[in-house]
Amino acid sequence: EPEVTQTPSHQVTQMGQEVILRCVPISNHLYFYWYRQILGQKVEFLVSFYNNEISEKSEIFDDQFSVERPDGSNFTLKIRSTKLEDSAMYFCASINIPGTAYNEQFFGPGTRLTVL
Amino acid sequence: GESVGLHLPTLSVQEGDNSIINCAYSNSASDYFIWYKQESGKGPQFIIDIRSNMDKRQGQRVTVLLNKTVKHLSLQIAATQPGDSAVYFCAEDAGGTSYGKLTFGQGTILTVHP
Repeated sequence: EPEVTQTPSHQVTQMGQEVILRCVPISNHLYFYWYRQILGQKVEFLVSFYNNEISEKSEIFDDQFSVERPDGSNFTLKIRSTKLEDSAMYFCASINIPGTAYNEQFFGPGTRLTVL
Repeated sequence: GESVGLHLPTLSVQEGDNSIINCAYSNSASDYFIWYKQESGKGPQFIIDIRSNMDKRQGQRVTVLLNKTVKHLSLQIAATQPGDSAVYFCAEDAGGTSYGKLTFGQGTILTVHP
């Protein structure tokens, strides 16, 4: 069964450092998303990406965040200067082309980011 | 003292019982509603969805009910098994140009005792 993969599974970084979280969405999917989940809290939308540009972003997704699809398979989330409050699980997700029926959004296993 | 994070509702059932998990959603304009299961250390896993023009949908051992009047969603799991133990989240999808942008509820911890 196809799946979304994410690397690394756990990233530890110092405050102020840049991190890049990587995702490989399902190969024929066209819509890509990043979400985050602070420990013990609900999953929060960060950004959606389609056709090589951001479709929508949340208030959390400020200038410190960026996304990129550098090639035909990877989808990355970069945090330019990490803060303590960026510590969370970050999930990548993807969908095929939306149609008349709802298309399941597939989530990756997540990257746990710890900012010290 | 100050609390950190949310205190999730919990539901404990015996194996074989039916479970009902409830969720209140916020956006009356949402087009789709989805239930996700999240096991420890894993990403959310799709269970079932329902469109706003429906009030009930059944899957394998699961049923989702939608009450738009009171903005309430429920997930019924029949013959609950230990493998069903997880955190369950409801989510709304506004659809249209925001298709796929999910707004998650706070989650319910389901514990199934053998």
